[in-house]
Amino acid sequence: SQTIHQWPATLVQPVGSPLSLECTVEGTSNPNLYWYRQAAGRGLQLLFYSVGIGQISSEVPQNLSASRPQDRQFILSSKKLLLSDSGFYLCAWTSGGLYNEQFFGPGTRLTVL
Amino acid sequence: GENVEQHPSTLSVQEGDSAVIKCTYSDSASNYFPWYKQELGKGPQLIIDIRSNVGEKKDQRIAVTLNKTAKHFSLHITETQPEDSAVYFCAASDEVTGGGNKLTFGTGTQLKVEL
Repeated sequence: SQTIHQWPATLVQPVGSPLSLECTVEGTSNPNLYWYRQAAGRGLQLLFYSVGIGQISSEVPQNLSASRPQDRQFILSSKKLLLSDSGFYLCAWTSGGLYNEQFFGPGTRLTVL
Repeated sequence: GENVEQHPSTLSVQEGDSAVIKCTYSDSASNYFPWYKQELGKGPQLIIDIRSNVGEKKDQRIAVTLNKTAKHFSLHITETQPEDSAVYFCAASDEVTGGGNKLTFGTGTQLKVEL
């Protein structure tokens, strides 16, 4: 069966510091991968998605970037965090085939102080 | 692009009653409509989905209906239980191979089932 991991689970960082969040998927190959941000009490905002290694599509201009160095690894980064980067970051995957069942990881709670 | 609206934003029901959450979408090309349940501090979990070739789908106490003409779909939970308390999200997508399979989410409904 497939599983998706995210780490760290929680993170507190000062403004201006760098960020690296990691997501890995097990039990599937060539998945589509997604990064979402969820502000407190709000919906899910799609940040980036990837249909293959090295292929990144950005949905919104922002202070963040994403990379996919391996088939089942998706990384969210920032060089300098802003207060507005605080939120709950969710990674998700789909099989990349015709059907869209999208499965989410447990999330990373980021607080920027 | 697709726009999904979800109502109500909060819903409080008594245990055993039914709960209904409604969503509308704007893109007539959308053909896949999942519903997610998110418990506090966790990632959303897919609970049911429907494709545009059917009008209704049921899984035990949960059902989803779709009206393609009106471009709206609804989640129905019967015999609600306290463990149904969570935030529920609807979403819509146009399933096109190679198109990234992106979902557009509604803004969520906080469901509270009271004893």
